[in-house]
Amino acid sequence: GAGVSQSPSNKVTEKGKDVELRCDPISGHTALYWYRQSLGQGLEFLIYFQGNSAPDKSGLPSDRFSAERTGGSVSTLTIQRTQQEDSAVYLCASSFGLAARQETQYFGPGTRLLVL
Amino acid sequence: GDSVTQMEGPVTLSEEAFLTINCTYTATGYPSLFWYVQYPGEGLQLLLKATKADDKGSNKGFEATYRKETTSFHLEKGSVQVSDSAVYFCALKVGTSYGKLTFGQGTILTVHP
Repeated sequence: GAGVSQSPSNKVTEKGKDVELRCDPISGHTALYWYRQSLGQGLEFLIYFQGNSAPDKSGLPSDRFSAERTGGSVSTLTIQRTQQEDSAVYLCASSFGLAARQETQYFGPGTRLLVL
Repeated sequence: GDSVTQMEGPVTLSEEAFLTINCTYTATGYPSLFWYVQYPGEGLQLLLKATKADDKGSNKGFEATYRKETTSFHLEKGSVQVSDSAVYFCALKVGTSYGKLTFGQGTILTVHP
């Protein structure tokens, strides 16, 4: 079946604008994750969703970042009032669940965000 | 908190050389351990994993053994190929009710013919 897909693949925006990044997880996966990959910080966890549980937002760097997952499938990561330090590759991943046999995370190709 | 430390790169080897990329960790609970690989222009892919002490994960000729006593998960391959050139990330996940992966900083491997 299809893997994790993300859109857009590239996004250039001006400082202060809002952006929305989309993730389509693998069908049947109940857990969905967002990470950020940047030169200075490496790979950082942002947020994850598991089924109908409240999301774990502990990695979001500021209140300008938010994410939602509609219908237990597609997720949107929104960055408001973008700053140049938000420039990074935003990665989405999904897994069947959290237990040992279900925990492998499959990553999408990422959205490369550049804030001018 | 949880953290992963990888040997600094970049690592440059000739084809058929032996590879070791060191990875050590600190964890607040009992972790599962992973190696992910990112080939040029591609997304992150799981290379191998181990979920309990003394387990050995293996794939594509790569191996790593979960050493609880030394809190390590070093990646090894006996004979590297040019096609192994990529960035390698060690990662951990603590517990079965928490999904976050904590990654090391990544090690760039370049293999020359």
